[in-house]
Amino acid sequence: GAVVSQHPSRVICKSGTSVKIECRSLDFQATTMFWYRQFPKKSLMLMATSNEGSKATYEQGVEKDKFLINHASLTLSTLTVTSAHPEDSSFYICSAVEFGQINEKLFFGSGTQLSVL
Amino acid sequence: DAKTTQPPSMDCAEGRAANLPCNHSTISGNEYVYWYRQIHSQGPQYIIHGLKNNETNEMASLIITEDRKSSTLILPHATLRDTAVYYCIVIDTGTASKLTFGTGTRLQVTL
Repeated sequence: GAVVSQHPSRVICKSGTSVKIECRSLDFQATTMFWYRQFPKKSLMLMATSNEGSKATYEQGVEKDKFLINHASLTLSTLTVTSAHPEDSSFYICSAVEFGQINEKLFFGSGTQLSVL
Repeated sequence: DAKTTQPPSMDCAEGRAANLPCNHSTISGNEYVYWYRQIHSQGPQYIIHGLKNNETNEMASLIITEDRKSSTLILPHATLRDTAVYYCIVIDTGTASKLTFGTGTRLQVTL
């Protein structure tokens, strides 16, 4: 089946630095990718919808200048957490929609655990 | 997307069937019922989906009521590795609309 690869799986950074997370669809083209964040023992919260070749659509309350999303190709979307602070520590997950089928499945990456010191 | 309601937690003995309910009373005609599960610190894993007919695959069975306002995910022989949070989501796949996750059901499989 289709696979979504997310990298890195874990990152620790100092406060004030920027962190880039990559999300790749390995064997299908994904015109749309979604980015979520998840706090411990909480559900996934949608941050933004990433569309190939256009600007991302951010959910209410998500700072677009802090969480930069780039979807430059049909197989790659990146999330950059700029000037990270400890409160940005969270589990970030991407997902991609495989089009071209009657019933699209949404595939998820394995997640990135971000810890900001 | 329609919202869903699930019990926050359930227990199941290993080897027994786990039946996880989900209410989606506001589901529309174009929306499918999807089930995912999330094991701790991993991304959600697709389990099964359906529109109105019951579905079965190697992982589970999905029973959707005739009025489509509720569904049940059945794990026929639960194992310890099935311990996870199970999410029921309704999606209009025609618009590839964003997924809204509810709180899910935390299934604990015990010996």
